[in-house]
Amino acid sequence: QVQLQQWGAGLLKPSETLSLTCAVSGGSLSGYHWSWLRQPPGKGLEWVGEISHSGATSHNPSLKSRVTLSVDTSKNQFSLRLISVTAADTAVYYCARGDYSEFYYYGLDVWGQGTTVTVSS
Amino acid sequence: EVVLTQSPGTLSLSPGDRATLSCRASQSISNAFLAWYQQKPGQAPRLLMYGATSRATGIPDRFSVSGSGTDFTLTISRLEPEDFAVYYCQQYGGSPKYTFGQGTKLEI
Repeated sequence: QVQLQQWGAGLLKPSETLSLTCAVSGGSLSGYHWSWLRQPPGKGLEWVGEISHSGATSHNPSLKSRVTLSVDTSKNQFSLRLISVTAADTAVYYCARGDYSEFYYYGLDVWGQGTTVTVSS
Repeated sequence: EVVLTQSPGTLSLSPGDRATLSCRASQSISNAFLAWYQQKPGQAPRLLMYGATSRATGIPDRFSVSGSGTDFTLTISRLEPEDFAVYYCQQYGGSPKYTFGQGTKLEI
């Protein structure tokens, strides 16, 4: 059974860099797409970005160029960096596994436990 | 950007009732690229349904989806106490690649 375990700093000051890592156990990075999502307090879900096992990335245009995604296949993990954080970046951040083809979408079927990130001076 | 609008915002029902949750897209999308999630307080979302009619692993058959084009529905045929949660619809493939509805809270 595939599981995702995520970690990273939970308290940041404005302008600092958010760094989170998600480790995959019980399965491989290959063949799937690995996303980061976030959920501000009391609000809905927002997709942040995605990386494949080969390193191909896409991200939410709303975050412009602040997002960097990386993958380490030797450790079976992937990471998120978000620079220049503000209070608006305060949220629970989740990593998740996605699967899709050109003709079908299989959903985000495995999720990490979530990391609460608070940006405050 | 494909905007998903869910209704109602809150649905108050009792165990044993039938629940009908709506998800409307701002433009026509394929139901092959639509998914639904359930989220309980303090937990990560859980995939319920994906594609046209597929249930995720372990999801009971009281959950079903229907719809096409811009209007989609998640139906829970007979509510169990554990079904009271927030439900999100989500589309894949637009820009941004994944977008979510704002959620429907199903409360007792």
